[in-house]
Amino acid sequence: AQTVTQSQPEMSVQEAETVTLSCTYDTSESDYYLFWYKQPPSRQMILVIRQEAYKQQNATENRFSVNFQKAAKSFSLKISDSQLGDAAMYFCASGLGFGNEKLTFGTGTRLTIIP
Amino acid sequence: GAGVSQSPRYKVAKRGQDVALRCDPISGHVSLFWYQQALGQGPEFLTYFQNEAQLDKSGLPSDRFFAERPEGSVSTLKIQRTQQEDSAVYLCASSLRLVKYNEQFFGPGTRLTVL
Repeated sequence: AQTVTQSQPEMSVQEAETVTLSCTYDTSESDYYLFWYKQPPSRQMILVIRQEAYKQQNATENRFSVNFQKAAKSFSLKISDSQLGDAAMYFCASGLGFGNEKLTFGTGTRLTIIP
Repeated sequence: GAGVSQSPRYKVAKRGQDVALRCDPISGHVSLFWYQQALGQGPEFLTYFQNEAQLDKSGLPSDRFFAERPEGSVSTLKIQRTQQEDSAVYLCASSLRLVKYNEQFFGPGTRLTVL
Protein backbone atom coordinates (compact mmCIF):
# COMPACT_ATOMS: atom_id res chain seq x y z
CA ALA A 1 0.00 0.00 0.00
CA GLN A 2 1.08 3.53 -0.66
CA THR A 3 0.76 6.44 1.72
CA VAL A 4 1.28 10.15 1.12
CA THR A 5 1.72 12.68 3.92
CA GLN A 6 1.49 16.46 3.73
CA SER A 7 2.32 17.99 7.09
CA GLN A 8 1.55 21.62 6.21
CA PRO A 9 -2.21 22.24 6.23
CA GLU A 10 -1.68 25.91 5.28
CA MET A 11 1.09 28.01 3.83
CA SER A 12 1.27 31.64 2.77
CA VAL A 13 3.74 33.56 0.66
CA GLN A 14 4.20 37.11 -0.48
CA GLU A 15 3.51 37.70 -4.15
CA ALA A 16 6.68 37.28 -6.27
CA GLU A 17 8.42 35.32 -3.52
CA THR A 18 9.27 31.61 -3.43
CA VAL A 19 7.49 28.96 -1.40
CA THR A 20 8.13 25.26 -0.83
CA LEU A 21 5.41 22.73 -0.06
CA SER A 22 6.44 19.48 1.63
CA CYS A 23 5.39 15.92 0.92
CA THR A 24 6.62 12.54 2.10
CA TYR A 25 5.46 9.19 0.83
CA ASP A 26 5.89 5.51 1.49
CA THR A 27 5.79 2.65 -0.97
CA SER A 28 7.33 -0.79 -1.29
CA GLU A 29 7.39 -0.51 -5.08
CA SER A 30 10.54 0.36 -7.01
CA ASP A 31 8.74 1.88 -10.00
CA TYR A 32 6.26 4.62 -9.24
CA TYR A 33 5.25 8.14 -10.13
CA LEU A 34 4.77 11.23 -8.00
CA PHE A 35 2.54 14.19 -8.77
CA TRP A 36 1.55 17.60 -7.54
CA TYR A 37 -2.02 18.62 -8.32
CA LYS A 38 -3.57 22.05 -7.86
CA GLN A 39 -7.23 22.39 -6.86
CA PRO A 40 -8.63 25.92 -7.08
CA PRO A 41 -12.01 26.83 -5.55
CA SER A 42 -13.67 25.63 -8.77
CA ARG A 43 -12.65 22.11 -7.58
CA GLN A 44 -11.13 21.03 -10.90
CA MET A 45 -7.88 19.20 -10.16
CA ILE A 46 -5.08 20.31 -12.45
CA LEU A 47 -1.78 18.48 -12.83
CA VAL A 48 1.10 20.82 -11.97
CA ILE A 49 4.11 18.55 -12.29
CA ARG A 50 5.07 14.88 -12.25
CA GLN A 51 8.20 12.92 -11.44
CA GLU A 52 9.11 9.39 -12.47
CA ALA A 53 10.87 7.59 -9.63
CA TYR A 54 13.52 6.10 -11.91
CA LYS A 55 14.66 9.56 -13.02
CA GLN A 56 17.25 11.21 -10.82
CA GLN A 57 16.79 14.61 -12.39
CA ASN A 58 14.23 16.81 -10.67
CA ALA A 59 11.25 17.76 -12.82
CA THR A 60 10.61 21.42 -13.67
CA GLU A 61 7.68 23.16 -15.32
CA ASN A 62 8.20 26.88 -15.74
CA ARG A 63 7.94 28.39 -12.21
CA PHE A 64 7.31 24.99 -10.62
CA SER A 65 10.05 22.55 -9.67
CA VAL A 66 10.40 19.60 -7.36
CA ASN A 67 13.06 18.36 -4.99
CA PHE A 68 12.85 14.58 -5.22
CA GLN A 69 14.83 12.77 -2.53
CA LYS A 70 14.21 9.09 -3.24
CA ALA A 71 16.11 7.66 -0.27
CA ALA A 72 14.30 9.96 2.11
CA LYS A 73 10.98 9.43 0.28
CA SER A 74 10.51 13.16 0.08
CA PHE A 75 8.93 15.09 -2.79
CA SER A 76 8.62 18.84 -2.23
CA LEU A 77 7.22 21.44 -4.61
CA LYS A 78 8.89 24.80 -5.09
CA ILE A 79 6.91 27.66 -6.59
CA SER A 80 9.04 30.58 -7.73
CA ASP A 81 7.80 34.12 -8.39
CA SER A 82 4.45 33.34 -6.73
CA GLN A 83 1.42 34.83 -8.44
CA LEU A 84 -2.10 35.51 -7.19
CA GLY A 85 -3.38 32.78 -9.48
CA ASP A 86 -1.29 30.21 -7.61
CA ALA A 87 -3.64 30.42 -4.63
CA ALA A 88 -5.27 26.99 -4.27
CA MET A 89 -5.14 23.66 -2.48
CA TYR A 90 -2.11 21.64 -3.52
CA PHE A 91 -2.17 17.86 -3.31
CA CYS A 92 0.76 15.51 -3.51
CA ALA A 93 -0.08 12.12 -5.01
CA SER A 94 1.57 8.86 -5.96
CA GLY A 95 0.71 6.21 -8.53
CA LEU A 96 2.16 3.02 -9.93
CA GLY A 97 1.29 3.41 -13.62
CA PHE A 98 0.21 0.57 -15.89
CA GLY A 99 -1.83 -2.11 -14.19
CA ASN A 100 -2.37 -0.12 -11.02
CA GLU A 101 -3.18 3.39 -12.08
CA LYS A 102 -5.16 4.69 -9.14
CA LEU A 103 -3.70 7.70 -7.38
CA THR A 104 -3.09 7.99 -3.64
CA PHE A 105 -3.37 11.57 -2.41
CA GLY A 106 -2.17 13.47 0.63
CA THR A 107 -4.46 15.68 2.68
CA GLY A 108 -3.41 18.85 0.90
CA THR A 109 -1.82 22.22 1.65
CA ARG A 110 -3.82 25.41 1.28
CA LEU A 111 -1.60 28.07 -0.30
CA THR A 112 -2.44 31.74 0.18
CA ILE A 113 -0.73 34.45 -1.84
CA ILE A 114 -0.35 37.78 -0.05
CA PRO A 115 -0.49 40.76 -2.45
CA GLY B 1 -11.98 19.75 -27.07
CA ALA B 2 -14.20 19.31 -24.07
CA GLY B 3 -12.77 18.11 -20.81
CA VAL B 4 -14.29 15.70 -18.31
CA SER B 5 -17.78 16.78 -17.35
CA GLN B 6 -19.87 15.71 -14.38
CA SER B 7 -23.51 16.18 -13.54
CA PRO B 8 -25.12 17.37 -11.47
CA ARG B 9 -22.61 19.78 -9.96
CA TYR B 10 -24.58 19.82 -6.72
CA LYS B 11 -26.95 17.27 -5.28
CA VAL B 12 -28.89 17.42 -2.04
CA ALA B 13 -30.48 14.18 -0.89
CA LYS B 14 -32.47 13.18 2.14
CA ARG B 15 -31.04 10.31 4.12
CA GLY B 16 -32.23 7.06 2.64
CA GLN B 17 -32.66 8.35 -0.91
CA ASP B 18 -30.85 6.86 -3.89
CA VAL B 19 -28.65 9.13 -6.03
CA ALA B 20 -26.96 8.76 -9.41
CA LEU B 21 -23.92 10.79 -10.41
CA ARG B 22 -22.85 11.00 -14.03
CA CYS B 23 -19.40 11.31 -15.58
CA ASP B 24 -18.65 12.08 -19.23
CA PRO B 25 -14.96 11.39 -19.85
CA ILE B 26 -12.84 12.90 -22.57
CA SER B 27 -13.69 11.21 -25.85
CA GLY B 28 -11.45 8.24 -26.54
CA HIS B 29 -10.16 7.91 -23.01
CA VAL B 30 -9.93 4.27 -22.05
CA SER B 31 -9.49 4.58 -18.29
CA LEU B 32 -12.04 6.10 -15.94
CA PHE B 33 -11.68 6.63 -12.21
CA TRP B 34 -14.01 7.70 -9.41
CA TYR B 35 -12.66 9.36 -6.26
CA GLN B 36 -14.41 10.57 -3.12
CA GLN B 37 -13.19 13.78 -1.48
CA ALA B 38 -14.47 14.49 2.01
CA LEU B 39 -14.36 18.03 3.32
CA GLY B 40 -10.80 19.09 4.09
CA GLN B 41 -9.32 15.85 2.79
CA GLY B 42 -7.59 14.64 -0.32
CA PRO B 43 -9.42 12.51 -2.88
CA GLU B 44 -9.69 8.81 -2.12
CA PHE B 45 -9.94 6.16 -4.81
CA LEU B 46 -13.28 4.42 -5.22
CA THR B 47 -13.21 2.42 -8.45
CA TYR B 48 -11.56 2.08 -11.88
CA PHE B 49 -12.78 1.10 -15.34
CA GLN B 50 -10.82 0.11 -18.40
CA ASN B 51 -13.35 0.55 -21.20
CA GLU B 52 -16.50 -1.15 -19.88
CA ALA B 53 -14.67 -3.50 -17.52
CA GLN B 54 -14.57 -2.57 -13.85
CA LEU B 55 -11.07 -3.73 -12.92
CA ASP B 56 -10.80 -2.39 -9.40
CA LYS B 57 -13.57 -1.58 -6.96
CA SER B 58 -11.53 -1.97 -3.82
CA GLY B 59 -12.24 1.58 -2.68
CA LEU B 60 -16.02 1.40 -2.66
CA PRO B 61 -16.93 1.90 1.02
CA SER B 62 -19.96 -0.37 1.10
CA ASP B 63 -22.30 -2.40 -1.07
CA ARG B 64 -24.54 0.67 -1.25
CA PHE B 65 -22.08 2.07 -3.78
CA PHE B 66 -22.29 0.82 -7.34
CA ALA B 67 -20.61 2.06 -10.52
CA GLU B 68 -21.08 1.17 -14.14
CA ARG B 69 -19.76 2.09 -17.57
CA PRO B 70 -21.83 -0.11 -19.90
CA GLU B 71 -20.56 1.17 -23.25
CA GLY B 72 -17.08 2.16 -22.24
CA SER B 73 -17.71 5.90 -22.26
CA VAL B 74 -20.18 7.54 -19.84
CA SER B 75 -20.08 6.25 -16.28
CA THR B 76 -22.60 6.44 -13.47
CA LEU B 77 -21.88 6.17 -9.77
CA LYS B 78 -24.95 5.15 -7.83
CA ILE B 79 -25.36 5.39 -4.09
CA GLN B 80 -28.30 3.60 -2.55
CA ARG B 81 -29.94 4.52 0.75
CA THR B 82 -27.68 7.52 1.24
CA GLN B 83 -26.31 8.28 4.69
CA GLN B 84 -24.83 11.46 6.12
CA GLU B 85 -21.30 10.09 5.91
CA ASP B 86 -21.72 9.88 2.13
CA SER B 87 -21.62 13.69 1.98
CA ALA B 88 -18.55 14.55 -0.08
CA VAL B 89 -17.37 15.72 -3.47
CA TYR B 90 -17.26 12.89 -5.99
CA LEU B 91 -14.57 13.37 -8.63
CA CYS B 92 -14.30 11.57 -11.92
CA ALA B 93 -11.08 11.34 -13.93
CA SER B 94 -10.17 9.81 -17.27
CA SER B 95 -6.96 8.95 -19.08
CA LEU B 96 -5.81 7.57 -22.43
CA ARG B 97 -3.82 4.58 -21.17
CA LEU B 98 -1.38 4.51 -24.08
CA VAL B 99 1.93 4.54 -22.25
CA LYS B 100 3.13 3.46 -18.85
CA TYR B 101 2.21 6.77 -17.30
CA ASN B 102 -0.98 8.49 -18.38
CA GLU B 103 -2.13 11.81 -17.00
CA GLN B 104 -5.51 11.69 -15.33
CA PHE B 105 -7.80 14.54 -16.29
CA PHE B 106 -10.32 15.44 -13.64
CA GLY B 107 -13.85 16.74 -13.86
CA PRO B 108 -15.23 19.51 -11.63
CA GLY B 109 -16.87 17.03 -9.28
CA THR B 110 -20.34 16.59 -7.86
CA ARG B 111 -20.88 17.88 -4.33
CA LEU B 112 -23.31 15.55 -2.57
CA THR B 113 -24.96 16.71 0.63
CA VAL B 114 -27.04 14.20 2.55
CA LEU B 115 -29.43 15.73 5.09
